Amino acid sequence: AQRVTQPEKLLSVFKGAPVELKCNYSYSGSPELFWYVQYSRQRLQLLLRHISRESIKGFTADLNKGETSFHLKKPFAQEEDSAMYYCALSGFGGYQKVTFGIGTKLQVIP
Amino acid sequence: DVKVTQSSRYLVKRTGEKVFLECVQDMDHENMFWYRQDPGLGLRLIYFSYDVKMKEKGDIPEGYSVSREKKERFSLILESASTNQTSMYLCASSPRGGVSYEQYFGPGTRLTVT
Repeated sequence: AQRVTQPEKLLSVFKGAPVELKCNYSYSGSPELFWYVQYSRQRLQLLLRHISRESIKGFTADLNKGETSFHLKKPFAQEEDSAMYYCALSGFGGYQKVTFGIGTKLQVIP
Repeated sequence: DVKVTQSSRYLVKRTGEKVFLECVQDMDHENMFWYRQDPGLGLRLIYFSYDVKMKEKGDIPEGYSVSREKKERFSLILESASTNQTSMYLCASSPRGGVSYEQYFGPGTRLTVT
């Protein structure tokens, strides 16, 4: 069974402080990992995916297969980063279901 | 722009009623999904479909059924609504290929069952 664990329901940081949203996963094969974000009153949307290895809005995430983690990081938090963040996992291939974590609410304090 | 639309933003139904939630996407995506989103529980997959007339159970299919007669439309059906099905329902679509693509989400339908 595939599983995604986000241990923190709420993370509060001050503006300018570093951010790390934790995500651990369980999957027997080769996973694909994603981070989705939902800003207030907006749709859920993709933030980044591990195969792209890109930085979006200053956020990065590295897949660590040894630790089965895919933590989301940003060196300096901005107020506009306040949102709900979901880590998601899929098996490789277009027929695979996607499993989401419970989400972490990031609150950036001015 | 990919557009995923859902038939209602807010819906109030009575216990025992049959409820239809409709989702339409305009990007010719093969895959479509239905989730429910609850505080503290995140997104949970109810059903997904990777082709017309095809469906697969997700993690919480009990009490729900789906229909996909056309590629662009994926319907979620609550045969007999119950109060524990009060939730936010999200539809999503994605293309199908050699890798898993991002999912594009609709705005959600907030269903209240009284």
